[in-house]
This record gives sequence, C-alpha cells and structure tokens, in this order.
Amino acid sequence: EVQLLESGGGLVQPGGSLRLSCAASGFTFSNYAMSWVRQAPGKGLEWVSTLSPSGSTTYSTDSAKGRFTISRDNSKSTLFLQMNSLIAEDTAIYYCARGSLVTAGRGDYWGQGALVTVSS
Amino acid sequence: EIVLTQSPGTLSLSPGERATLSCRASQSVSSSYLGWYQQKPGQAPRLLIYGASSRATGIPDRFSGSGSGTDFTLTISRLEPEDFAVYYCQQYGSPPYAFGQGTKLEIK
Repeated sequence: EVQLLESGGGLVQPGGSLRLSCAASGFTFSNYAMSWVRQAPGKGLEWVSTLSPSGSTTYSTDSAKGRFTISRDNSKSTLFLQMNSLIAEDTAIYYCARGSLVTAGRGDYWGQGALVTVSS
Repeated sequence: EIVLTQSPGTLSLSPGERATLSCRASQSVSSSYLGWYQQKPGQAPRLLIYGASSRATGIPDRFSGSGSGTDFTLTISRLEPEDFAVYYCQQYGSPPYAFGQGTKLEIK
C-alpha cells in the first residue's frame, strides 16, 4: 500500500524558515517523481514544485523560485521542502504527491498534508 | 504557461442525476496530459481521471473523462451521495503543472 506521511508543519513568523518532510512507503521511491502541492485555507489547489526521480531536475512555480527548495533522499525514501523567507500568503496545507512512472507532475497518490501557518 | 478555467463554479444537482463539469485550457494540453481530482472536506485530493479519459485505480465507471486540445469534460453518469465534493482539473504536460480553480458539486 502506497503511503505518504508529511511532517514538519507548524507556526512560523514572517521571514522565518521551515522544512517539511514526506516519508514514503509501499513503492520504490527512487523510481518516481514527487511533488509538493499546497492549499490555502478555503482556497483551491496550487502546484508548488516537482522533483525528478534522481533529483537532478526540478520544476517550480514562480512564487516558490528563490525561496523554496525541493529535494529528496532516495536512500531514506523521503522528500523535503525547505521554505525560507516565509510570508503570510504561504499559509496553507502542504501535500506531497507521487507522480506516475511516465509523467512527473501528476498526483497519483497524496499524503494527508502538513499545515503551515505564517503569522506573528 | 497554461491557465485552466473550470465551469461552472458551483453545480447543484440531486442524487441520480448526471453531472457535467468543464475544464478549458488557455492553450493546447500536450498529449492530453489532463487529470481530474476529487476532494472532500478535510481530505486530500484523489486522482479520478488521467490522460483525459483513463480512470485511475479503483474509480467507479460512473466517472468518465473526455476531450482533447483545450476542452475537457468530466461526467458523472448517476450521482451517488458520496460524489458531492469539489473537483479540480490539472494539466501535467508542461510545467507549471497548474490546477483549475475547482467546481463545487453540491446537493440540490
């Protein structure tokens, strides 16, 4: 059974940093692209960033470029999102999602999400 | 950058009725890399349809997808009580892998 478990969310002050983790199990992690998708309170889904299976290629939305870094540790089946210079508009539930064997940005399986609140 | 526009914003129907949801792209979606997701309150999204018309694992056959190029449709043939939720389309052919703004399917 595919499982994705996010952790690392919480309350952070504006300008602060936070690192999210997504522990994967039930599949060969190193074979799949992985993504982060966020959802602000009461709003729709917003794709944030995608990382190739090897970790060599990343795609990110403009709002994430320069502030957020996606990475992975295939030996530990874990995906990360390092978030710096956080602003109030980054407040959201952050989901990690697994792609397919063929396409990177599709969300075949999703974790339950980690809540990030940016507030003073 | 491809922008997806979903319509209607809200759809009010009764169980047993047919639902038709639309997703229009600002430019052609490559290789029909268009997906549909269902999200219920307090839950993560769930993939329903990929490749515009293929059902994901375990998805009932009352859900179907169609379309190509810039116009895509999700059809639910006979609504069940558990189908009332928010539905999103997403293009994953070329980054940024944008989502539509969602259609809320509510009980009439």
